[in-house]
Amino acid sequence: AQKITQTQPGMFVQEKEAVTLDCTYDTSDPSYGLFWYKQPSSGEMIFLIYQGSYDQQNATEGRYSLNFQKARKSANLVISASQLGDSAMYFCAMRELNTGNQFYFGTGTSLTVIP
Amino acid sequence: DTGVSQNPRHKITKRGQNVTFRCDPISEHNRLYWYRQTLGQGPEFLTYFQNEAQLEKSRLLSDRFSAERPKGSFSTLEIQRTEQGDSAMYLCASSLALTGLTDTQYFGPGTRLTVL
Repeated sequence: AQKITQTQPGMFVQEKEAVTLDCTYDTSDPSYGLFWYKQPSSGEMIFLIYQGSYDQQNATEGRYSLNFQKARKSANLVISASQLGDSAMYFCAMRELNTGNQFYFGTGTSLTVIP
Repeated sequence: DTGVSQNPRHKITKRGQNVTFRCDPISEHNRLYWYRQTLGQGPEFLTYFQNEAQLEKSRLLSDRFSAERPKGSFSTLEIQRTEQGDSAMYLCASSLALTGLTDTQYFGPGTRLTVL
C-alpha cells in the first residue's frame, strides 16, 4: 500500500484565491511527522510546513496551513492568497518515528496559478 | 551560501561507466539523506547517514550503488556500471535531528544524471 497518496496530479487556482492540495497517509505507527515540500521548475525541494502526529493544533506558516485530520489520516495543505510564484510541484511526505528514518513522498500535485 | 550543495549539477555518461556525486550538507546537520527522483514521481529514499554511520539503505538500492560520509561531513554517492535506468535526479538532504519527529530535511539542488 502507498504510504502517501496525492490524488490530484494537477490543480489550477486564480491568483489571490485559496487552494487546497490533498494528502492522505497510511501508517500504524502512532508517532509520525507530516511534511509538505514545494519543488519549482528549478528542481530544488523547499520545505514549507510540518505537522507532528501529537500536535493538537493545525500547523501554520505564513500563507500555508495544514488541515490535519488524524482520524481520516489526511494532511491537506491550504495555500491562501495564491501568488504566481506558487506555481510548482507540491509533495506531501511522512516520517514514521518507530520504523526508521525513511521519508515517504507522494507523487506530487502540480499547481498552476492563473493571473 | 549556507544551504546544501551538490556537485556536479549535471552529469552525462555512457552506459557501463562509473559516476560519483558529492553532497555538502548544512554544516551543523548530523543527518544526511540521498534520494532519487524520476520524472513525474516524488523523491525515492536511497540511504541515510547519522554522522559518519550509514544507518539505513533502501531495499531497492542495487549493490552498484554505494555511499560514504567520511568524518560525518560531506557525502559521496557512487554508481558503478551505470545503466540507462539510472538516469534520474539525485537529491541530497540534510537535517539536524535533535528530538523525535521534527527531522525537517533541507534539500540541495540535485544532480541530474543522464546515462546514454
